[in-house]
Amino acid sequence: GAGVSQSPSNKVTEKGKDVELRCDPISGHTALYWYRQSLGQGLEFLIYFQGNSAPDKSGLPSDRFSAERTGGSVSTLTIQRTQQEDSAVYLCASCPQANYGYTFGSGTRLTVV
Amino acid sequence: GENVEQHPSTLSVQEGDSAVIKCTYSDSASNYFPWYKQELGKRPQLIIDIRSNVGEKKDQRIAVTLNKTAKHFSLHITETQPEDSAVYFCAVLQGAQKLVFGQGTRLTINP
Repeated sequence: GAGVSQSPSNKVTEKGKDVELRCDPISGHTALYWYRQSLGQGLEFLIYFQGNSAPDKSGLPSDRFSAERTGGSVSTLTIQRTQQEDSAVYLCASCPQANYGYTFGSGTRLTVV
Repeated sequence: GENVEQHPSTLSVQEGDSAVIKCTYSDSASNYFPWYKQELGKRPQLIIDIRSNVGEKKDQRIAVTLNKTAKHFSLHITETQPEDSAVYFCAVLQGAQKLVFGQGTRLTINP
């Protein structure tokens, strides 16, 4: 597609449930990033994929968070046993190389009730 | 790791006046500095960026200046218009791999 696509755009889940968030990057972009943006806050780095290299998971806040990227394209961010503090907008971004400006998706707004 | 501080957190200016937002960073090896604009409810969008081999870059009403010695860079918006109202984020490329963002500046243009 022409841009970074994320789904779902909104997700309301009950505390304790697992959720999966999907990101479809721009075709050909080798670098893919997940960030989290809490209400009125900045962008918190979560995880980074670059080609076939091992991902940089240094930003994941707990072991309830995991992500994978299949075939160097689509990525899925999984949050297990969701907590209320997980409520935020989860943004995915991709770029052709790590040292270029990102193109962000529209995000998934996650609400844990 | 990289530490990015952005000031001010909020900024209100009269339409037509200039706005300046400043960021400082900690890693002297950093060499790429983009700025993003995020309108309410929308995704962040890249508006301008600068690399460490230049001190200033302009694009119409926006410009970015970089002082590598002092480790700070600034966004300048001239002749501000209502559509400039948004949250602006600076960022620094850490380890040539990932962007570390400032906390954002909410800019309001008053008519």
